[in-house]
Amino acid sequence: QVQLQESGPGLVKPSQTLSLTCTVSGGSISSGSYYWSWIRQPAGKGLEWIGRIYTSGSTNYNPSLKSRVTISVDTSKNQFSLKLSSVTAADTAVYYCARVTQQQLRGADPFDIWGQGTMVTVSS
Amino acid sequence: SYELTQPPSVSVSPGQTASITCSGDKLGDKYASWYQQKPGQSPVLVIYQDAKRPSGIPERFSGSNSGNTATLTISGTQTMDEADYYCQAWDSSTAVFGGGTKLTVL
Repeated sequence: QVQLQESGPGLVKPSQTLSLTCTVSGGSISSGSYYWSWIRQPAGKGLEWIGRIYTSGSTNYNPSLKSRVTISVDTSKNQFSLKLSSVTAADTAVYYCARVTQQQLRGADPFDIWGQGTMVTVSS
Repeated sequence: SYELTQPPSVSVSPGQTASITCSGDKLGDKYASWYQQKPGQSPVLVIYQDAKRPSGIPERFSGSNSGNTATLTISGTQTMDEADYYCQAWDSSTAVFGGGTKLTVL
């Protein structure tokens, strides 16, 4: 079955750019009615959606992060990636990648497969 | 921006029915999903499209959505159901999560 695995540095300095990659295994990132997303969760807090990408390259971002976020996809590597610039301590969180399955009903798409998450700390 | 509001905590006795609410402006005009998250684990989808259960999710999990409120109901709650639960909906092209509800089974 499809699995997702996040990878990237666990420690990023303030003002630098956080970069993470999500590798999709057990299936092609381009097959089926799916798109791909990043979500984060600060310790002891709730889930915050960061953005999504279709394999066409089309993206949507959380308005609160839009100016600092870039999500890209590399179908040849079965991966998609997150870049978050100008990070501060407030960006310290567990970052999850997730698959979203498109439904026939608009707006009904669930996050049905999640990666295990990767902890990113922003500190000098 | 669109907001979803959940109670911070809900308590239930084993075997009883737990109800977790999620409120948002005209939420009934959207579709709600629910996720279960146990400590140290990734979220798991338990309900989507208001009331559908993914494969492998027990029948005791059910959902509804009407007016301004979506509800996750767990019938015959088991100790293994103790977890944080998050509702989620799409507002235009933006995903929104509720703040989460800690379900305690005692």
